[in-house]
Amino acid sequence: SQQGEEDPQALSIQEGENATMNCSYKTSINNLQWYRQNSGRGLVHLILIRSNEREKHSGRLRVTLDTSKKSSSLLITASRAADTASYFCATPPNTGNQFYFGTGTSLTVIP
Amino acid sequence: EAGVAQSPRYKIIEKRQSVAFWCNPISGHATLYWYQQILGQGPKLLIQFQNNGVVDDSQLPKDRFSAERLKGVDSTLKIQPAKLEDSAVYLCASSLESASPLHFGNGTRLTVT
Repeated sequence: SQQGEEDPQALSIQEGENATMNCSYKTSINNLQWYRQNSGRGLVHLILIRSNEREKHSGRLRVTLDTSKKSSSLLITASRAADTASYFCATPPNTGNQFYFGTGTSLTVIP
Repeated sequence: EAGVAQSPRYKIIEKRQSVAFWCNPISGHATLYWYQQILGQGPKLLIQFQNNGVVDDSQLPKDRFSAERLKGVDSTLKIQPAKLEDSAVYLCASSLESASPLHFGNGTRLTVT
């Protein structure tokens, strides 16, 4: 069954603005991961947040995790045209080894 | 470190033909995944290997798809016979262990006409 589901499906912002996308999942997890996919390329791992963490930063990325609501958010600050891509969350569950992705958020940053 | 290598990059075949994709994961990565990504959708897991054993192939259409990972390193994914709905990008990924971040190749874009 699908785990991570991203929201919104599409987001268009001006360069310099912040972009926020959300992810909801269904079962217990040991970590949640965010990935980026540029057009015509494979996915690239951005950041991993463990189930006992509430917030994590990496450069212009800020990820939060709320295990009680089974949700996570990815914030990209001061967006750039190069951030234009699709963003996916993925959650390897505690039991079993399935690694599923949602349908993603398509982000367009307008120069 | 070298990334995940996939070939070919593009493939066009007619329906009912067969096709094979190859993946060379990052050295030392025990876990290997094959995903199918239809345009506009997220990657769909087809099969997961741990070393050379299958961990999950619940979404693999076994009547036409097969995959193997000999010696726990390289892997091949085969489709025989292909259908129009198999047109997609086939992504290979590897990870150090099952819950670790995935490293993806750039995929093989398959067009079935």
